[in-house]
Amino acid sequence: AQKITQTQPGMFVQEKEAVTLDCTYDTSDPSYGLFWYKQPSSGEMIFLIYQGSYDQQNATEGRYSLNFQKARKSANLVISASQLGDSAMYFCAMSGMDSSYKLIFGSGTRLLVRP
Amino acid sequence: SAVISQKPSRDICQRGTSLTIQCQVDSQVTMMFWYRQQPGQSLTLIATANQGSEATYESGFVIDKFPISRPNLTFSTLTVSNMSPEDSSIYLCSVEAGSSYNEQFFGPGTRLTVL
Repeated sequence: AQKITQTQPGMFVQEKEAVTLDCTYDTSDPSYGLFWYKQPSSGEMIFLIYQGSYDQQNATEGRYSLNFQKARKSANLVISASQLGDSAMYFCAMSGMDSSYKLIFGSGTRLLVRP
Repeated sequence: SAVISQKPSRDICQRGTSLTIQCQVDSQVTMMFWYRQQPGQSLTLIATANQGSEATYESGFVIDKFPISRPNLTFSTLTVSNMSPEDSSIYLCSVEAGSSYNEQFFGPGTRLTVL
């Protein structure tokens, strides 16, 4: 069975600094995808970044990058130059590359950016 | 990316009643998903809804409690039946993006409080 673990319930970061949010996963599937979503207090889920299990390079999207270490089964999100608007819940998720498209979510990390 | 709307955005209901949540997408999609997010928790998949077939429910969720309709490729409803305070949650619909890596786009969610 697939499992996602986020061990940091809460994180603080100073504005303009970088922060790393941890995510480890467990799966027996050889092919899978890893996602990060942001959930502001409004409740919507905002897709941030994706990493495929066969991708050779770490994914990047603007200020977001994914530090993918396949052997360690980790997919940490790095946010550079934090902004006050980055304060939110962040969820790591995984899906298998079958036709079900199911997403399994971690427990989330609440990030607070300090001015 | 798909634009997804949900109605209602929030509601307060009495125990024993039912609420139907609507999810509308601005483009045709094959797969739609319904998630529940209990207070302070992560997202849990309730069911997958494909047009023209019965919804597929995840373990712990049953059709009698969460009947789902999918009359066409842009619309779905989730009903929360015979509600109890434990059903107080955010309910989110999502759709598969149609890309090669199973990305899902989420609606804004429906905040349900059951008294």
